[in-house]
Amino acid sequence: AQKVTQAQTEISVVEKEDVTLDCVYETRDTTYYLFWYKQPPSGELVFLIRRNSFDEQNEISGRYSWNFQKSTSSFNFTITASQVVDSAVYFCALQILTGGGNKLTFGTGTQLKVEL
Amino acid sequence: DSGVTQTPKHLITATGQRVTLRCSPRSGDLSVYWYQQSLDQGLQFLIHYYNGEERAKGNILERFSAQQFPDLHSELNLSSLELGDSALYFCASSVGLRESPLHFGNGTRLTVT
Repeated sequence: AQKVTQAQTEISVVEKEDVTLDCVYETRDTTYYLFWYKQPPSGELVFLIRRNSFDEQNEISGRYSWNFQKSTSSFNFTITASQVVDSAVYFCALQILTGGGNKLTFGTGTQLKVEL
Repeated sequence: DSGVTQTPKHLITATGQRVTLRCSPRSGDLSVYWYQQSLDQGLQFLIHYYNGEERAKGNILERFSAQQFPDLHSELNLSSLELGDSALYFCASSVGLRESPLHFGNGTRLTVT
């Protein structure tokens, strides 16, 4: 069975601080994808990144960066110089590629509050 | 804007009723997925359709059913509604069967009173 754990329920930071959101996953499959989604207060789910299990290169996109470590089954997300607009719930998700269909297993989310 | 359109945005109905949620996938996407987000269960996968065929089922109740039509839009039917069915229902779409990211719509917020 697949499982995604986001141990941090809520994080509060002051604007311009860096913040890291943790994600630990469990799967026996060797081929899988990991995702991060953002859910702002308006409610929609916004796709941020997808990483496949064979690509352990870290990725940076503007103020966002992702650290994938297969050895520790972690896919952590760092926001540099946080801004109030980053306030949202962030979900990590796991997708396995076996079987006839496709589903994402989501973590419980981390609520990030960025204050002035 | 993800390109996935869900209607209606909000729905308020009474217990025992039946509702239909509609989803139009992004242009070119053949896969449609339904997810339920509730406070106690989090984001739960319900069902996946690819080009009109059901491909995977998750924690979908027997009172719920879905289908994907030839024009690729999808409907999620919820019947004999209970208070516990109140949730945000998301539709997502992707290009292929598995190896492409899911893009989510804005969701339909269902309130059962």
